Amino acid sequence: QVQLVESGGGVVQPGGSLRLSCAASGFTFSSYAMFWVRQAPGKGLEWVALIRYNGNDKYYADSVKGRFTISRDNSKNTLYLQMNSLRPEDTAVYYCVKTSTSGWSGDYWGQGTLVTVSS
Amino acid sequence: EIVLTQSPGTLSLSPGERATLSCRASQSVTSSSLAWYQQKPGQAPRLLIYGASSRATGIPDRFSGSGSGTDFTLSISRLEPEDFAVYYCQQYGGSPLTFGGGTKVEIK
Repeated sequence: QVQLVESGGGVVQPGGSLRLSCAASGFTFSSYAMFWVRQAPGKGLEWVALIRYNGNDKYYADSVKGRFTISRDNSKNTLYLQMNSLRPEDTAVYYCVKTSTSGWSGDYWGQGTLVTVSS
Repeated sequence: EIVLTQSPGTLSLSPGERATLSCRASQSVTSSSLAWYQQKPGQAPRLLIYGASSRATGIPDRFSGSGSGTDFTLSISRLEPEDFAVYYCQQYGGSPLTFGGGTKVEIK
């Protein structure tokens, strides 16, 4: 069965950095685009970034462009999100999402990891 | 960027009633690349509908999606107790992917 397990969340001061990881299993990781979605406390869903199956193309929300970097290691079945210059408004649960075979909808989601940016 | 507007913000209904949720896009959604998700408190979202009208694996047939272009609808034919949750639409025709603000379906 498909499993996505995020890790790396925690509390960080404004201006700091964190790297999130997402360990994938139960499917051919190297065949699917993956993306990150975040959800601030009590708020809706916000798409953050997407990376194609081979890592050649990456897309970002304007709110994180230039600060966050999405990457993947297909040999380790792992997705990453490097987050730099963190701001209080980046506080959220971050979900790792697998795309479906029919486009960039998300058919499997991880349980999420909480990132809190606070001094 | 395609902005998705969901209405109503909250829908108060009783079990057994029909729910109709709307998602309107600021411009035409490419190839009906529109999905619906259900989210319950403390849980990750779950894919219900993709391609505007195709049910995801394991989704009961009381859930149906319709629409094209800029107007999309999620219908739940008869609400079960487990259907009370927040529902989000998402367009994935291109970058940036965007989500609607959500509709909460609550017990009346």
